Amino acid sequence: DAGITQSPRYKITETGRQVTLMCHQTWSHSYMFWYRQDLGHGLRLIYYSAAADITDKGEVPDGYVVSRSKTENFPLTLESATRSQTSVYFCARRVTPNTEAFFGQGTRLTVV
Amino acid sequence: GQQLNQSPQSMFIQEGEDVSMNCTSSSIFNTWLWYKQDPGEGPVLLIALYKAGELTSNGRLTAQFGITRKDSFLNISASIPSDVGIYFCAGQLGDTDKLIFGTGTRLQVFP
Repeated sequence: DAGITQSPRYKITETGRQVTLMCHQTWSHSYMFWYRQDLGHGLRLIYYSAAADITDKGEVPDGYVVSRSKTENFPLTLESATRSQTSVYFCARRVTPNTEAFFGQGTRLTVV
Repeated sequence: GQQLNQSPQSMFIQEGEDVSMNCTSSSIFNTWLWYKQDPGEGPVLLIALYKAGELTSNGRLTAQFGITRKDSFLNISASIPSDVGIYFCAGQLGDTDKLIFGTGTRLQVFP
């Protein structure tokens, strides 16, 4: 058990709709991350957070918004979904920047 | 963009063979992590490396943190069918909080 839960596991949405992917950790680790995984690209960092109310952009932040009002939760919002955002999204937690990251099971998002 | 070059992209080997894969970059990393991902699951940590030159084993797996801090390799000895999956390297980039991933090595093991 990685101690990190993502919901939903699968989601289909229409272009232009807003959709929020949830991430919850059962620990209170400071660092949380959102990645997207696409064929041929591995995992690319979207946003990360070092603590509650502190967030920062990763490699591919455009089209996404995050918030972290509570340490345990790190939701990712697609404000106006596009087909290019069809992907598998992974959330991860870390104790400190230099320790291993533990991943959730992922959310498979399809934008039609 | 992607700052880690992982190779090979895929490998098809026979059971019992040894496997080697590596990651290189032009950037300096403070930590190297190796993950395995099974279909429909999130990546699971295999080995963590924290110091330049460090060589660490986990069963049949051995990984090293390059002396220049710009590369790392993972070896799997005597492969078995359950080694099938995608292997990712990940590096903690310089003085940032960012953990950057390689593009993955897809491993297939034939009996």
